[in-house]
Amino acid sequence: NAGVTQTPKFRILKIGQSMTLQCTQDMNHNYMYWYRQDPGMGLKLIYYSVGAGITDKGEVPNGYNVSRSTTEDFPLRLELAAPSQTSVYFCASSSDRGSYEQYFGPGTRLTVT
Amino acid sequence: KQEVTQIPAALSVPEGENLVLNCSFTDSAIYNLQWFRQDPGKGLTSLLLIQSSQREQTSGRLNASLDKSSGRSTLYIAASQPGDSATYLCAGILTGGGNKLTFGTGTQLKVEL
Repeated sequence: NAGVTQTPKFRILKIGQSMTLQCTQDMNHNYMYWYRQDPGMGLKLIYYSVGAGITDKGEVPNGYNVSRSTTEDFPLRLELAAPSQTSVYFCASSSDRGSYEQYFGPGTRLTVT
Repeated sequence: KQEVTQIPAALSVPEGENLVLNCSFTDSAIYNLQWFRQDPGKGLTSLLLIQSSQREQTSGRLNASLDKSSGRSTLYIAASQPGDSATYLCAGILTGGGNKLTFGTGTQLKVEL
């Protein structure tokens, strides 16, 4: 089982560049999430989605955009990258029933210089 | 707004010792609480999930408890081993609004020979 997959694993961006972090899940989960983790910190929610076509802001959405055109995919777009966006990005998904347990991808380590 | 706190931030113990990691949350309307393990430079591994209707969950040498009235959860690790060395994160979900996880900042555990 693939679960939640993320690409790329690592990326270095120059200030002002843009990129898209990819996230795909094969568990038919309606709920998907993007978190960032800064060194020595817990995870903070950037954006989330409760189904295809529905997205909403989390705690730290500035500088990011998302879309959800299918149940499986939830890409995160960085426009005009800044050093403050250097972080590790995790995507997660969960079912909309039962325990709501979240399943995480392996993460993307992004450096903006 | 749900806030999650983990104390201590770091802990060092000799091999074989039983230990308890603490997690406090501010909103007693928590639906479930997840404990995760994170190894350096790696993603999150879900250890245990406790639903609000449960008081505890066990998996091998791990036991997690949840006391909603006091706003506390504990993770008990029995007979600690060097392989248990990692950062342990707790995260709580409030239902509604996407069932978002709020993370603590983690406890960094080192088990020494």
